[in-house]
Amino acid sequence: GAVVSQHPSWVICKSGTSVKIECRSLDFQATTMFWYRQFPKQSLMLMATSNEGSKATYEQGVEKDKFLINHASLTLSTLTVTSAHPEDSSFYICSAPLAGESYEQYFGPGTRLTVT
Amino acid sequence: KNEVEQSPQNLTAQEGEFITINCSYSVGISALHWLQQHPGGGIVSLFMLSSGKKKHGRLIATINIQEKHSSLHITASHPRDSAVYICAFHYGGSQGNLIFGKGTKLSVKP
Repeated sequence: GAVVSQHPSWVICKSGTSVKIECRSLDFQATTMFWYRQFPKQSLMLMATSNEGSKATYEQGVEKDKFLINHASLTLSTLTVTSAHPEDSSFYICSAPLAGESYEQYFGPGTRLTVT
Repeated sequence: KNEVEQSPQNLTAQEGEFITINCSYSVGISALHWLQQHPGGGIVSLFMLSSGKKKHGRLIATINIQEKHSSLHITASHPRDSAVYICAFHYGGSQGNLIFGKGTKLSVKP
């Protein structure tokens, strides 16, 4: 089956620094990838849609200048959390649909970010 | 307003028991996923369905579009089934607009 990887799986950073999270589709091309986050004991929430070759679209309430998304190739999307704050500590997950498929999604293993 | 409700929130079962997790939603949907999230956080997609019933091994998922309800069944449960099970649905024809339930935490005791 299709595989999506994320790197790193966990990261601890200091407040004010930036952190980059990578999402890769390993055996298929993904023109679109989705970024979600999950706060403790909360549901997953869509943050943004990453589009290869064009700007990402952000959900309401998500600061595009803080969460920079770059979809540089058909297999890689990156999420950079800039000037991280402790409230950004969360579990970040990406997913990718197979091109041409209707709603089938493949999820990455997630990245746990802790900002101290 | 909660657009998706899962029940129960927590479930403890003995190994071998038949398990049912329910998901009700309040809007018209395009497709519904059942996902499994392990303690480390990683998510595995178990099923994606828009009608009827699907079966994979000991797992069965059903959906009733008219009643806006889906169920996930696990037969002959095993401790390795212990995880959080999440239902999520697409709406509005968009692949990314997934609305997630809060999950059902399942613990299967040996």
